[in-house]
Amino acid sequence: DAKTTQPTSMDCAEGRAANLPCNHSTISGNEYVYWYRQIHSQGPQYIIHGLKNNETNEMASLIITEDRKSSTLILPHATLRDTAVYYCIVRVAMRTSGSRLTFGEGTQLTVNP
Amino acid sequence: DTEVTQTPKHLVMGMTNKKSLKCEQHMGHRAMYWYKQKAKKPPELMFVYSYEKLSINESVPSRFSPECPNSSLLNLHLHALQPEDSALYLCASSRGLDYPYEQYFGPGTRLTVT
Repeated sequence: DAKTTQPTSMDCAEGRAANLPCNHSTISGNEYVYWYRQIHSQGPQYIIHGLKNNETNEMASLIITEDRKSSTLILPHATLRDTAVYYCIVRVAMRTSGSRLTFGEGTQLTVNP
Repeated sequence: DTEVTQTPKHLVMGMTNKKSLKCEQHMGHRAMYWYKQKAKKPPELMFVYSYEKLSINESVPSRFSPECPNSSLLNLHLHALQPEDSALYLCASSRGLDYPYEQYFGPGTRLTVT
C-alpha cells in the first residue's frame, strides 16, 4: 500500500470547517483513500473513503485531486467532539491485501471553543 | 447494529497468568481482526480471520493465540506475557476480505502486564 504523509497536528475553531490534508504521491490506480479517526481512548471510527471522485457522507467530505496524489478531508462544521487523531490510509482493492489497514501517525485535530 | 463489543474493558495480569480477551459482533461480518496499540502510537495489525479461518498472522509471538469459534466471536488467548505487551488491544470486523470494506472497531481492552 502507498505511504501517506499528514501534518502532525492542526487546530480549528468550533463551528468552522476543518480541512485535513493528506499526501499520497505514490498512490496506484487501484488504491483507495480511506479516512478513520480515533477519539482519545476509543477504537478507530471509519469516516469516508474514495477512489477518484469526491465523496460526501453525513460525517465529512473527501476531496481527491485529479492526479490522486493528495486528498483533503473536510469536516464542514467542526465541534468539540471532533477532537481526535485523523488517519489517512491508502488501501488496494485486492483479495490478499484488502484486509490490511496500515495506520500512519495521523493528524491530531484539536477543535477549540 | 454496527457495534463491536470487547470484554473486559481493563485487564491486569501477571507474567505467569493465562487470560483471554473476547470480541463479538452481530453484523454478519465474515472478517475479524486483532490490533495492538501502544500509548501514543497508531494501531498495528496482529491477526486477520476470514470465515473463521486464520488468514494473516503478522509474525506475532506465540504467547498470543487467537481463536475464532464462530463467525460472531473472536478470542485472543494470552499466556506468559511480558510487561512490554501492555497496550490497548482492539478488535475489528468487516464484511469480508475481497474488497477494502470499512472496518468497525470495538472500544478495546486495556491490558497491563505486571
